[in-house]
Amino acid sequence: DAGVIQSPRHEVTEMGQEVTLRCKPISGHDYLFWYRQTMMRGLELLIYFNNNVPIDDSGMPEDRFSAKMPNASFSTLKIQPSEPRDSAVYFCASREGQRGPQYFGPGTRLLVL
Amino acid sequence: RKEVEQDPGPFNVPEGATVAFNCTYSNSASQSFFWYRQDCRKEPKLLMSVYSSGNEDGRFTAQLNRASQYISLLIRDSKLSDSATYLCVVNGGSSNTGKLIFGQGTTLQVKP
Repeated sequence: DAGVIQSPRHEVTEMGQEVTLRCKPISGHDYLFWYRQTMMRGLELLIYFNNNVPIDDSGMPEDRFSAKMPNASFSTLKIQPSEPRDSAVYFCASREGQRGPQYFGPGTRLLVL
Repeated sequence: RKEVEQDPGPFNVPEGATVAFNCTYSNSASQSFFWYRQDCRKEPKLLMSVYSSGNEDGRFTAQLNRASQYISLLIRDSKLSDSATYLCVVNGGSSNTGKLIFGQGTTLQVKP
């Protein structure tokens, strides 16, 4: 079975540009999570969805960040405009039900110059 | 107080040693517990779920103490390949269903 798929795996962009990260969850999973990881702050939950509906976006840093889940098999995380402090690894994860474990994608390494 | 607390380490142990990590959580309503492993520059991966009765998977044993609100992971006969960061993970509890809370991780370095 395919795991969580993320694209791109690496992204280098210049400050001010728009960045779009993509995620395909594991088929049948009804929860989808977006995380950011840096050395300084560790793993931070940005937002999560249940059945395509955003449930908790309190971790989204500011209005420059937005996330959508138009259907059960696709989600995007957009940063517009990007800033150097957004440089991090962004992980997507999915989960079936409220009690089971999450499964992470390989991450997108974002570098904003 | 953090919702999930772990000793960040690092724990430096020789091959073959037994090492134990503890983790405490603050929400008594939490119902699901896990240990994840994260290698450098990789995604966190599920190591094992933690059940009330305790569970074992090869050299790894996980224990849950609900009364004291802590979780432990024991690694026996440690291998060089066990070197990684181990993340304690707890379900957010009845008021926060669906959300998993991650500890900051404990770093293990197994040396020859």
